Amino acid sequence: DAKTTQPNSMESNEEEPVHLPCNHSTISGTDYIHWYRQLPSQGPEYVIHGLTSNVNNRMASLAIAEDRKSSTLILHRATLRDAAVYYCILRVLHYGGSQGNLIFGKGTKLSVKP
Amino acid sequence: EAGVAQSPRYKIIEKRQSVAFWCNPISGHATLYWYQQILGQGPKLLIQFQNNGVVDDSQLPKDRFSAERLKGVDSTLKIQPAKLEDSAVYLCASSVEVAGSSYNEQFFGPGTRLTVL
Repeated sequence: DAKTTQPNSMESNEEEPVHLPCNHSTISGTDYIHWYRQLPSQGPEYVIHGLTSNVNNRMASLAIAEDRKSSTLILHRATLRDAAVYYCILRVLHYGGSQGNLIFGKGTKLSVKP
Repeated sequence: EAGVAQSPRYKIIEKRQSVAFWCNPISGHATLYWYQQILGQGPKLLIQFQNNGVVDDSQLPKDRFSAERLKGVDSTLKIQPAKLEDSAVYLCASSVEVAGSSYNEQFFGPGTRLTVL
């Protein structure tokens, strides 16, 4: 499975936008980019995923570089509740239709200051 | 909708003792996962079930870890005997794996924090 590289930690101020980067230079054509986050003392939760085009949902936006070798998770207005570890994961979708497992790295620990 | 339930939430045991964790997935989710999360690291997959059959247990230390999912619903993960390095949070997750879908969100439980002394 292809690997991702993320900064160990980032800081943000409350109500400001946050851009969380992820590098995945060895991504293959069948790898989808998934983001999960893990709030303190909880299990991970799904945030967003995409293949080539930018994606938006109620939680965040995902901006994918044209060559797909990097992506950025965007939180438009950080709140204290967004303080968590954010994981960028490449998940393959096999031609037979089955999807690869989630392989978590260490992620980026986001701190949000009031 | 009820989430993934796990129990106990915390467990402290001596090394060489046995311990078991229980997971009840979201109703209707055929796929169930057990992960181990050591402090400061991301979760690592131990085993994946599809209904009551094992799909992937390549990362499960089979000399001491075992898991079962009777009747394709609840699951139990057991460690016997425990070692100091087994201290971790054990997470259970479930999903509806739709063939051909890129979504297949995994829903995680709160985890069981195991401390081995």
